[in-house]
Order: sequence, then structure tokens, then C-alpha cells
Amino acid sequence: NAGVTQTPKFQVLKTGQSMTLQCAQDMNHEYMSWYRQDPGMGLRLIHYSVGAGITDQGEVPNGYNVSRSTTEDFPLRLLSAAPSQTSVYFCASRQTGPTDTQYFGPGTRLTVL
Amino acid sequence: GENVEQHPSTLSVQEGDSAVIKCTYSDSASNYFPWYKQELGKRPQLIIDIRSNVGEKKDQRIAVTLNKTAKHFSLHITETQPEDSAVYFCAASGDMRFGAGTRLTVKP
Repeated sequence: NAGVTQTPKFQVLKTGQSMTLQCAQDMNHEYMSWYRQDPGMGLRLIHYSVGAGITDQGEVPNGYNVSRSTTEDFPLRLLSAAPSQTSVYFCASRQTGPTDTQYFGPGTRLTVL
Repeated sequence: GENVEQHPSTLSVQEGDSAVIKCTYSDSASNYFPWYKQELGKRPQLIIDIRSNVGEKKDQRIAVTLNKTAKHFSLHITETQPEDSAVYFCAASGDMRFGAGTRLTVKP
């Protein structure tokens, strides 16, 4: 049982490039989320999904797209990377209800030059 | 969406003292309040949580209290140790918004 996995661990992009951050979980959790954490800052919710085929925006959705075609996977797409998107990105998952424990992936450290 | 505020942003205590971190939330429908500890360069790890049907929960040196009427909840760490030094985050359901974090330093 690997829990929540994320790839890549590190990534450097140039301004304007696009890329996809991968997130997968093997716990059959319905609820998945993406957060960004800027240096010395808290976790801000980007997008979340309550189940396959359903996504919704969080606090800071601009510049990011998500999709949820399967229960296991929840990729985050950066359409045109900007230096302001330099951050650590965490994926998280939990069962179904709002009182269920949320588990985090190890994070992806992204630098946009 | 939910709005969670956390205080203080930094906290320094002597080893053996107690530490208290407070959070307030805005959505009266929220009914789950976890606390996470994050060490440098690592992912947040759940340390304790509380659901709205109880007012207090303890786990060894850590306790959380919840006041639903006032919409605030607090983390209490007793007999602090240097390894408690980390950043602590509170959060509130349903879309799990986080507070800005508290950097706790425990001085030996």
C-alpha cells in the first residue's frame, strides 16, 4: 500500500512551458486535493475532486487545470508556467466524508525561471 | 469557502513548558478539525483531530479543544520537547482549508 504518490519530486520549467504533475493513490479514496505551499507559508487549496468525473476550484485555481477520469489519479496541469507558480505542490486524499483523515503525498518542488 | 485563521504565527517556548495554538473558522457547517505537523522539507503529518460532537480530545502530551459556538479550536502541547519544534497547521472541513501555520520553537 503506497498511499499517495507524486511525480516528479523536482522540476524546473521556463516561463511559458506547460507540464503535468502526477498524483495517484491506492486507498480507493474518493476525495482528492491539490495544494501549493510557498516558502514559509501555509497550504493553499488549488483544486479538489469529490469523485471521478467531478472537480471544483479552491482558493487559488488560476493557471491550473485538473481532471479526474479515475478514482486513483488526479493530475494537475500548468498551462503556461509563470515564476509566481514556483512552489511546493502537495496532493492529498481522503475517504468520502468531510470528517475522514486526509493523507498527503511527498510533494513536488517546482521552480519556474 | 471556509476561512481559517491561525495564531500566533511564531511561538517560542522553553523545554518543558506548554504551547497553545489557536484557530478560528467561519463556516458553521464545518464539523472536522485536524491538526498537522510539518517538519522542514517534509509533508504535513496528522497529529490529532477532533469532530464536532466532542469538545476535547487528548493523545498523550497533545490535546485539542473545540468551541463550536465561538467557532474556534486550539492545540495544546504540554511538557514540550525539542523534537516538537516544527510548523503546525490547523484545518477545517469540508474542502479542508488550512490556517497559515505556526512555527513552534522549543529551546533546550
